[in-house]
Amino acid sequence: SAVISQKPSRDICQRGTSLTIQCQVDSQVTMMFWYRQQPGQSLTLIATANQGSEATYESGFVIDKFPISRPNLTFSTLTVSNLSPEDSSIYLCSVEARPGANTEAFFGQGTRLTVV
Amino acid sequence: EDQVTQSPEALRLQEGESSSLNCSYTVSGLRGLFWYRQDPGKGPEFLFTLYSAGEEKEKERLKATLTKKESFLHITAPKPEDSATYLCAVQARTSGSRLTFGEGTQLTVNP
Repeated sequence: SAVISQKPSRDICQRGTSLTIQCQVDSQVTMMFWYRQQPGQSLTLIATANQGSEATYESGFVIDKFPISRPNLTFSTLTVSNLSPEDSSIYLCSVEARPGANTEAFFGQGTRLTVV
Repeated sequence: EDQVTQSPEALRLQEGESSSLNCSYTVSGLRGLFWYRQDPGKGPEFLFTLYSAGEEKEKERLKATLTKKESFLHITAPKPEDSATYLCAVQARTSGSRLTFGEGTQLTVNP
């Protein structure tokens, strides 16, 4: 399994500001993923962070709002820009591991963002 | 479009009362079906991945099964510490590594 550390675990931000979330993995992984979990809802993929190339965004998510960095194979950041109350969610980092023929996907503990 | 529907939304059991959670899915070529446990304020904890109809996997009191249209998570003789939200997700062959999640089943096990 992979151990994923996310920082910060929670934050309260003013509208119009930005928050950068860090994700550190204890092993090298090709792809890292960022998900959003809105209050009372399930997880939605924001983007896939590829090392050495631009992130790939899902429909409804844009780079200007959610810029992502992936400087190496163990680290990524997600920035949520120009915050509004609608951005209040839990943001989760995820990695995929493929031991043998299996596929396993692991998540960090999440960052709970509240925008006021 | 891949879709995942979980039922029931919430389930209350007495300790020792076995039951099953359902995950119905529609996907264009299933690569894998994932089950997670999520405790309040925490990220999802990986439980199982199932790949083909007829496959079963077990972990302690949990057993996951898979058909071509749905998956069941059977909980045998649950304990209060099994209380959590259980999430199901699918990964399609055509969507890379994207996981499409259901809304989850909130399980409460009373002592």
